[in-house]
This record gives sequence, C-alpha cells and structure tokens, in this order.
Amino acid sequence: DAGITQSPRHKVTETGTPVTLRCHQTENHRYMYWYRQDPGHGLRLIHYSYGVKDTDKGEVSDGYSVSRSKTEDFLLTLESATSSQTSVYFCAISELAENYGYTFGSGTRLTVV
Amino acid sequence: GENVEQHPSTLSVQEGDSAVIKCTYSDSASNYFPWYKQELGKRPQLIIDIRSNVGEKKDQRIAVTLNKTAKHFSLHITETQPEDSAVYFCAASTDQAGTALIFGKGTTLSVSS
Repeated sequence: DAGITQSPRHKVTETGTPVTLRCHQTENHRYMYWYRQDPGHGLRLIHYSYGVKDTDKGEVSDGYSVSRSKTEDFLLTLESATSSQTSVYFCAISELAENYGYTFGSGTRLTVV
Repeated sequence: GENVEQHPSTLSVQEGDSAVIKCTYSDSASNYFPWYKQELGKRPQLIIDIRSNVGEKKDQRIAVTLNKTAKHFSLHITETQPEDSAVYFCAASTDQAGTALIFGKGTTLSVSS
C-alpha cells in the first residue's frame, strides 16, 4: 500500500450539512494536500499543510476548512455542503527527502444532493 | 500564482506511434515539473519528473523535455501500447518548502490496437 488512506471512499450528503473527509498517512511525511478533481478542470488545490497546525489556502479554498493536529492526519471540512462541491477529493503527501514527489490517496467520491 | 496550461485535452494514437503532450507554465520561479498518469478509477501516479537544471530526462519509453526560456515542457511517449491509455497530468511548482503543485487540466490518451 502507498501508506496513505482516505475515508470515507464514498459519501452522499444533503445540501447544507457539514462533511469531514479524513486523510491518514503512515509515512511521517511533512507535507499533505487536498485536491478536488472535476471533469475539464483537472486537479485543483484546495488547502495544504507543511506541518502540524501549519496550513495554507489553495486556488479553490472557499467553502472548505482544514485541520492538522497530528502529523498523520489531515482533515478537510465542508462547513455547509453545496452541490458545486460534488467532486472526487484526493489527498496527497510528499517529503523533501523524496524530492517532493506526491503520493496520492485513493480518493473520496462526494455527492451533495 | 502559477498557472499551467496543457494541450491537447484528448489524443488518439495507433499502437506503436509516438504521443506528445505539451504544457506551459507562467511562474518563472517554478523549477519542478512532474507528470502523473491516472488510469480510470485510480489515483494519479508519478511517472517522471524533471527539474530546471536538466533539459531532458528519459525513462524507457517516456521522456520529458524542458525549455525554461519559453516556459514549456513536454511528455513524449514512444512505441505506445494500449496500457498507456490513461489521463496524463502535468504540474509545476517551486521546490521551496511550503509550496504545492499546480496541475494542468489533463490529457486523455487513447491508444488503439
């Protein structure tokens, strides 16, 4: 396994409800990222983390928040889900010692109805 | 911020032909350029990368070239095989701590036998 797991793998939720996606790594990598993948848009960066409690916004951060209280976990929260947030969400990890090459999780398919 | 353009969006070739995918980037500070392959329903996986101190890099049937002056880089696949069919993403970033990859929108490569 790649040492990175995402949960849940699939989720259907209603508009207006809060949703939290989890990314868990066993590689002790410093950097973690959340991307969303949509047809015609590729992979767009939502938020990323460069250490415990150190996070920054990406290009499509509106409507999302993140937290990283431990090296191994990076949580993505949709405070009030909207249909435009229906997407496949990928978490990725990287480390300087590995030349910043990303390892991606298997993704979470989120549907907001 | 960085912006990465990728062309073409779709590419169809016959088995044994070569395939070329091109990307341009906007931030002259970018110096790390990876390529990812994503098979249907799978996670993106790193296939090759290049840094700005190198003009070309090869790994068996795949190669990447970089023109830093023109701010573009390309993926070359020779002797294509049906298993090369996938979506390919280029990306760019600096290798400074705390930065993240910005991806192109992807190229769907179809190799017919």
